[in-house]
Amino acid sequence: DVKVTQSSRYLVKRTGEKVFLECVQDMDHENMFWYRQDPGLGLRLIYFSYDVKMKEKGDIPEGYSVSREKKERFSLILESASTNQTSMYLCASSLRLAGGVYNEQFFGPGTRLTVL
Amino acid sequence: GESVGLHLPTLSVQEGDNSIINCAYSNSASDYFIWYKQESGKGPQFIIDIRSNMDKRQGQRVTVLLNKTVKHLSLQIAATQPGDSAVYFCAENSAQGGKLIFGQGTELSVKP
Repeated sequence: DVKVTQSSRYLVKRTGEKVFLECVQDMDHENMFWYRQDPGLGLRLIYFSYDVKMKEKGDIPEGYSVSREKKERFSLILESASTNQTSMYLCASSLRLAGGVYNEQFFGPGTRLTVL
Repeated sequence: GESVGLHLPTLSVQEGDNSIINCAYSNSASDYFIWYKQESGKGPQFIIDIRSNMDKRQGQRVTVLLNKTVKHLSLQIAATQPGDSAVYFCAENSAQGGKLIFGQGTELSVKP
């Protein structure tokens, strides 16, 4: 079974702090994603990565950065946390198939971040 | 632009009844669709997927129907159980490789 783990289930930080959210997958997936989930807004893509050291902006990258130094690990960084970044953060991974064929993304349990 | 939406934000059914959750998509070029279930406090969990070369696919107690003519996707759950209570999301592939576009979700509530 694919397993996607996130470093924390709950996190409380103060405005202005630098926040690191870590995600690790154990199935050698090339693609990794970071989403945030807010009531009424669904899942919104922040950043994604197709391979080590590669990153692409999603729909809402402002205020975030990412790092992918190893294939299994994808980190989301909030350089200076703000209260509007209070949210549920979800990491996902998927296999890259040949020929542009899609397949499912596997999600982690989520990190509920509160910024005070 | 691309969008995936749901007709109903909430659905309440009696235990044992069949449930149908609907989803509309706008991009006729999408060729991959997927349903996720998300229970409270957990990440989304894959239920079933379907590619555009099919119009129906069945899993255990679940069936996904794809109508490309009207760009409509549905998830049918047979003999709905209390454990099926969750938010259900549909998603479609985007033009940008690897990405999925998610709908807003439908909350399914099962009454005993």
